[in-house]
Amino acid sequence: NAGVTQTPKFQVLKTGQSMTLQCAQDMNHEYMSWYRQDPGMGLRLIHYSVGAGITDQGEVPNGYNVSRSTTEDFPLRLLSAAPSQTSVYFCASSGSYGPLGETQYFGPGTRLLVL
Amino acid sequence: KQEVTQIPAALSVPEGENLVLNCSFTDSAIYNLQWFRQDPGKGLTSLLLIQSSQREQTSGRLNASLDKSSGRSTLYIAASQPGDSATYLCAAPNSGNTPLVFGKGTRLSVIA
Repeated sequence: NAGVTQTPKFQVLKTGQSMTLQCAQDMNHEYMSWYRQDPGMGLRLIHYSVGAGITDQGEVPNGYNVSRSTTEDFPLRLLSAAPSQTSVYFCASSGSYGPLGETQYFGPGTRLLVL
Repeated sequence: KQEVTQIPAALSVPEGENLVLNCSFTDSAIYNLQWFRQDPGKGLTSLLLIQSSQREQTSGRLNASLDKSSGRSTLYIAASQPGDSATYLCAAPNSGNTPLVFGKGTRLSVIA
């Protein structure tokens, strides 16, 4: 049971390049989310999904795109990287949100540097 | 919109001391609250989950309490050890079926 996995661990991009951050979980969780963590700003929600085929925006969605074609995978796409997107990105999964909220499990993170 | 605040931002204590970390939230109609630990350069690890119907949860030396009416939660760490040094974050959901909103964390240093 690997839990939540993220690839790559570290990436350097040039401004304007695009890339996809991968996230996968093997716990059969319906609920998945992407956060970014910046010094002094804490963790901020980018996008989330409550099941395959369903996604929604979080607090800071601009410049990012997501899709959820399978229960296991929830990739995050940077359309045209900007220096402001330099951050550590965390993927999380859970069996449920809301009234039946369950523990959230986090991946190890992807460190992104945009030059 | 839920807002979560943690004070202090950093705390340094000698080994063996009992300590309390504080968390406050603005929307008292929360379904649950979670406490996490984050080691430098690592992801978050869930420590305790308190449902709205509970007042506290315990795991080993950790005890978390929840007071919805006052919008507060505390994480009590007994007999602190250097291995407890980490950043501790609390998080609560926005209304509805949405993910967690996080506080900025308290960075704890336990000095041997």
